[in-house]
Amino acid sequence: EAQVTQNPRYLITVTGKKLTVTCSQNMNHEYMSWYRQDPGLGLRQIYYSMNVEVTDKGDVPEGYKVSRKEKRNFPLILESPSPNQTSLYFCASRLFPPSTTNEKLFFGSGTQLSVL
Amino acid sequence: AQSVTQLDSQVPVFEEAPVELRCNYSSSVSVYLFWYVQYPNQGLQLLLKYLSGSTLVKGINGFEAEFNKSQTSFHLRKPSVHISDTAEYFCAVSDRTDSSYKLIFGSGTRLLVRP
Repeated sequence: EAQVTQNPRYLITVTGKKLTVTCSQNMNHEYMSWYRQDPGLGLRQIYYSMNVEVTDKGDVPEGYKVSRKEKRNFPLILESPSPNQTSLYFCASRLFPPSTTNEKLFFGSGTQLSVL
Repeated sequence: AQSVTQLDSQVPVFEEAPVELRCNYSSSVSVYLFWYVQYPNQGLQLLLKYLSGSTLVKGINGFEAEFNKSQTSFHLRKPSVHISDTAEYFCAVSDRTDSSYKLIFGSGTRLLVRP
């Protein structure tokens, strides 16, 4: 089954304690991206990657890091989490470049992060 | 920079009534347009998309949307809603000239279907 898998589903941590949210896709997609979802703000892109070893900042990259060492994995790293990073996080993937028949983002189920 | 406006944060409607969720985007340059749906405790799923061709686009679950270039709108409609349509709906746009094909999302509209 084609899917994007994120772990963990829920995470509660304290300010300053490094954490990693994992993301893996089994569709051989070139493009992967991280979003955060906040009430009234919709989804905002944090980082994206168009292929292995190619990453770039999205709209809200401050306080986050990513890596793309393998095509299937795209972990999100918070080196020193702060309370304003409390949010719902989604990983997504798709073909790149997109085609007219396959232009579609596949989303993971989300990670609800609370930073105390 | 491209932006997407969903003016209605919440739309309550009775079951079997018609519904329209509004979406406007900022720029008239060539765009791709999408509606995604998020059911409770799930990720987003593609509902429908406009890439080219007919301006009336049909999606899953009986939804459709119409691309109006002059009004820079892409409103989502359904003639008769069900309780199971209760979800959050996101409009999104991608600028065709953007080499990263970045997707810009609106703030979302929560559709609440009441019996």
